[in-house]
Amino acid sequence: AQKVTQAQTEISVVEKEDVTLDCVYETRDTTYYLFWYKQPPSGELVFLIRRNSFDEQNEISGRYSWNFQKSTSSFNFTITASQVVDSAVYFCALYSGNTPLVFGKGTRLSVIA
Amino acid sequence: GAGVSQSPSNKVTEKGKDVELRCDPISGHTALYWYRQSLGQGLEFLIYFQGNSAPDKSGLPSDRFSAERTGGSVSTLTIQRTQQEDSAVYLCASSLYFGGQYNEQFFGPGTRLTVL
Repeated sequence: AQKVTQAQTEISVVEKEDVTLDCVYETRDTTYYLFWYKQPPSGELVFLIRRNSFDEQNEISGRYSWNFQKSTSSFNFTITASQVVDSAVYFCALYSGNTPLVFGKGTRLSVIA
Repeated sequence: GAGVSQSPSNKVTEKGKDVELRCDPISGHTALYWYRQSLGQGLEFLIYFQGNSAPDKSGLPSDRFSAERTGGSVSTLTIQRTQQEDSAVYLCASSLYFGGQYNEQFFGPGTRLTVL
């Protein structure tokens, strides 16, 4: 069965600090896709990134970067020089086995000015 | 282009009443999903549609919940005889297709349901 674990329930950092959100996944499929979504206080989930299981290349997008490691079944998300606007709940999700997306329980990030 | 829209944005109802929640997916998206998010909790998958067909209804919490999709577009989630534990935000999402690289889901703003 597919499973996504986000062990960090809440994280609080001071503005400009770097912060890493952890995501560990479980699947028996060799082909799968991993996602990160952001849910700001307004409530609407925003898609951030999709990564397929054949592409372990890390990705950077501005202050955001993602570290995909199949050896540890992890897909961690780092925000560099955090800003107050980064405050949100972040969800990691897994697609595999032709079943609907499985979401982690989310990590609530608070960035304090 | 327009994103996923949901209506109403807020719904307050009395226990025992029926409610209908509507979702308009992104035009051209064949897959549509319903989730429920209770206060401060993660996303609970309810049901998805590929076209007008719902292959997996296992996520529906009880037989009071049902959903349909017509014309491969609009979907309605119906909750009969609402209970207080049904209070939550109901989120709808759509994707180009169901599966694989097309499973990038775009979410609507949600309907906040409060059952008194």
